[in-house]
Amino acid sequence: AQSVTQLGSHVSVSEGALVLLRCNYSSSVPPYLFWYVQYPNQGLQLLLKYTSAATLVKGINGFEAEFKKSETSFHLTKPSAHMSDAAEYFCAVRHSGGSNYKLTFGKGTLLTVNP
Amino acid sequence: EAGVAQSPRYKIIEKRQSVAFWCNPISGHATLYWYQQILGQGPKLLIQFQNNGVVDDSQLPKDRFSAERLKGVDSTLKIQPAKLEDSAVYLCASSFSADTQYFGPGTRLTVL
Repeated sequence: AQSVTQLGSHVSVSEGALVLLRCNYSSSVPPYLFWYVQYPNQGLQLLLKYTSAATLVKGINGFEAEFKKSETSFHLTKPSAHMSDAAEYFCAVRHSGGSNYKLTFGKGTLLTVNP
Repeated sequence: EAGVAQSPRYKIIEKRQSVAFWCNPISGHATLYWYQQILGQGPKLLIQFQNNGVVDDSQLPKDRFSAERLKGVDSTLKIQPAKLEDSAVYLCASSFSADTQYFGPGTRLTVL
């Protein structure tokens, strides 16, 4: 079964500092990996996705993630945090095979940005 | 392009009552999903529809939860009777086949 583990339920950074949110996956087949962001009282918005093309994936709002097969990781980074980045971030892996497109999510990481 | 619509946004009920949530996916999206997000956790898939057929309902508590998508467009998720542990946000998502899943704003259910 596929799964993801997000290390750190809460990350706090200063405005302008590097953002690093960690995600490790477990999958017996090449995975499809996603990062979603959730603002308070809103649904999930896709930041970026890895679908076995380039290992460095660029997303919206200046975020990017690098797929590292040897480390089974897909960490999310942003060079300079902005106050508007404060939200909860979820890493997810998509089920492989057939017409089942289920996403399995991690528990999420709450990002706080301090002025 | 209109996004995924859900209603109501909030619902408060007493345990053992019934409740229903409605979802209208993005036009043209054949695949529709219902996820349950309990506070402090990531969303968990309850059911996936492909048009009006069920692809995966392995994590749907079928003794109390039911879902339908009769005409392959909008969908309804029902809970009867509700338990305290059903308090959660219920998210609907849709996609064009295996492509990106787009999420609605969710319905926050509180069971007292």
